[in-house]
Amino acid sequence: RKEVEQDPGPFNVPEGATVAFNCTYSNSASQSFFWYRQDCRKEPKLLMSVYSSGNEDGRFTAQLNRASQYISLLIRDSKLSDSATYLCVVKGDGQNFVFGPGTRLSVLP
Amino acid sequence: EAGVVQSPRYKIIEKKQPVAFWCNPISGHNTLYWYRQNLGQGPELLIRYENEEAVDDSQLPKDRFSAERLKGVDSTLKIQPAELGDSAVYLCASTMNTNSPLHFGNGTRLTVT
Repeated sequence: RKEVEQDPGPFNVPEGATVAFNCTYSNSASQSFFWYRQDCRKEPKLLMSVYSSGNEDGRFTAQLNRASQYISLLIRDSKLSDSATYLCVVKGDGQNFVFGPGTRLSVLP
Repeated sequence: EAGVVQSPRYKIIEKKQPVAFWCNPISGHNTLYWYRQNLGQGPELLIRYENEEAVDDSQLPKDRFSAERLKGVDSTLKIQPAELGDSAVYLCASTMNTNSPLHFGNGTRLTVT
């Protein structure tokens, strides 16, 4: 079993839709959690950190469920510019950042 | 602030040739990572440095890969000899401290023919 798992998609959604991605992780000692966004042929860039109480940044909401070891990302009112790959990232107690395979999102006009 | 700088952006070599990648992290970032990313997959860690010390190189294929960060600032990753399966994007990243997220350079896209 991989340490961080995501549904690779692709998720094809119309503009304005709400879409949610889930991610599961296997290391119960993991301490920090992030969502990164990666555009085609570009480097990953931090979208948001994920806090235990859940957090929101504009149209994006991240949730963490430590008991079930999963993280979610909700995007409301999708824009064409949201089309990208979304990478779930987990930092364990060993200080390494472990990436999921990513979920591809295509927002369609 | 200047971001993580990597060079070259692209490299095409024939198999069995050597290749080297260079990375300069964000100023003040003591932790430096090298990742490899294959198409359709997430980045996978090769090596992590704390200052000049390689604290985790367990995923580095040491028969052909080597890395150094002699003065605890910039770093070089080398492959010798390269194989067809080494074709990938090599990403360098850095963090300021244990609570900070990763900041990536724009990567080196390696093609081995």
